[in-house]
Amino acid sequence: NAGVTQTPKFQVLKTGQSMTLQCAQDMNHEYMSWYRQDPGMGLRLIHYSVGAGITDQGEVPNGYNVSRSTTEDFPLRLLSAAPSQTSVYFCASRGRGQPQHFGDGTRLSIL
Amino acid sequence: AQSVTQLGSHVSVSEGALVLLRCNYSSSVPPYLFWYVQYPNQGLQLLLKYTTGATLVKGINGFEAEFKKSETSFHLTKPSAHMSDAAEYFCAVSEWGNNNDMRFGAGTRLTVKP
Repeated sequence: NAGVTQTPKFQVLKTGQSMTLQCAQDMNHEYMSWYRQDPGMGLRLIHYSVGAGITDQGEVPNGYNVSRSTTEDFPLRLLSAAPSQTSVYFCASRGRGQPQHFGDGTRLSIL
Repeated sequence: AQSVTQLGSHVSVSEGALVLLRCNYSSSVPPYLFWYVQYPNQGLQLLLKYTTGATLVKGINGFEAEFKKSETSFHLTKPSAHMSDAAEYFCAVSEWGNNNDMRFGAGTRLTVKP
């Protein structure tokens, strides 16, 4: 099993550009989430999904969009990148009542 | 909403010494509690979890944690530190029944001195 796969691993953007961070899981998990990790702040929840077609906002949703058209995929979209969105992004998935499985992260720099 | 406070952003111990990483939580319903470890440039790996039942939970790599409801705490311990334990550790809480997702503490970086 591949687990949770995130692409790309590294990305540099210019302010105002858009991009999509990809996340796929092969464990048939209902729940998927996106977090950002910043020094001294732990992981903060951006958006999450409790099943295909259902998404909800987390702690820091502004500037990000998500969709969940399939169980496997949960892409995160930055519509107009800002320097404040420079961070490491983690995707995670879990089954009901189970802990999170994390991907290896995407390191994003916005210039 | 649930939240987690980790006391001490950096902890330094000598090899062979006791490791104690502190975590306090806030939750309006009975919580599920977790400890994760992150090695440099990697994702988070589950160390242990508390859901229901026994309040002393044993995890991987010799770590354990005790759920104390009266103190709203879930501290992580290991009797004897090893150099390979150097990493960042995150405590997390979840309220499964509310469809809210997992919330993390700010993390504690553990350094192990030879």
